[in-house]
Amino acid sequence: EPEVTQTPSHQVTQMGQEVILRCVPISNHLYFYWYRQILGQKVEFLVSFYNNEISEKSEIFDDQFSVERPDGSNFTLKIRSTKLEDSAMYFCASRRDGAYEQYFGPGTRLTVT
Amino acid sequence: AQKVTQAQTEISVVEKEDVTLDCVYETRDTTYYLFWYKQPPSGELVFLIRRNSFDEQNEISGRYSWNFQKSTSSFNFTITASQVVDSAVYFCALSEAGTASKLTFGTGTRLQVTL
Repeated sequence: EPEVTQTPSHQVTQMGQEVILRCVPISNHLYFYWYRQILGQKVEFLVSFYNNEISEKSEIFDDQFSVERPDGSNFTLKIRSTKLEDSAMYFCASRRDGAYEQYFGPGTRLTVT
Repeated sequence: AQKVTQAQTEISVVEKEDVTLDCVYETRDTTYYLFWYKQPPSGELVFLIRRNSFDEQNEISGRYSWNFQKSTSSFNFTITASQVVDSAVYFCALSEAGTASKLTFGTGTRLQVTL
């Protein structure tokens, strides 16, 4: 069964460094999303992406964040200058056209020190 | 704005007991979608079910059942004869119709099933 994959599973970085989180959505899906979950809290929407552009973004998704689909399979989230409060689990999700359920990857745990 | 409330933070039951997880939602849209996701201790988010706002039929899948009531804006999830493997955090989520269709999650209910 096709799955969303994410790399790395865990990333440790120093405050102020740039990080890139990578996702490979399910191959026939057209809508892509990033969410984050601070430890023990609820899952929060960051950004949605369709047809090579951002469809919607939340207040969390400020100028430090960007997304890209550099090729036909990868979907990336970049944080330009990480802060301590960016420490969280970041989930990528995708869905196919005509369906509303989103399928999530296993997540990348980002730790900013 | 859309909102999902899961008032139960944590529930503990003994194996074989039935348990119901509550979910109340708010939305101004007439077309929307409701979901339940399971987050086991390993951390991934597993899709369980989607219901459409125009379909109030309840659904049963094995030991799982869902009760959708538009009149009370609720979408409750019942596990019958719970098992230890059901231990997880369960999230209810809402999506409004539209291109982006982001998910708005509740705060989750941690279910602990013990022997």
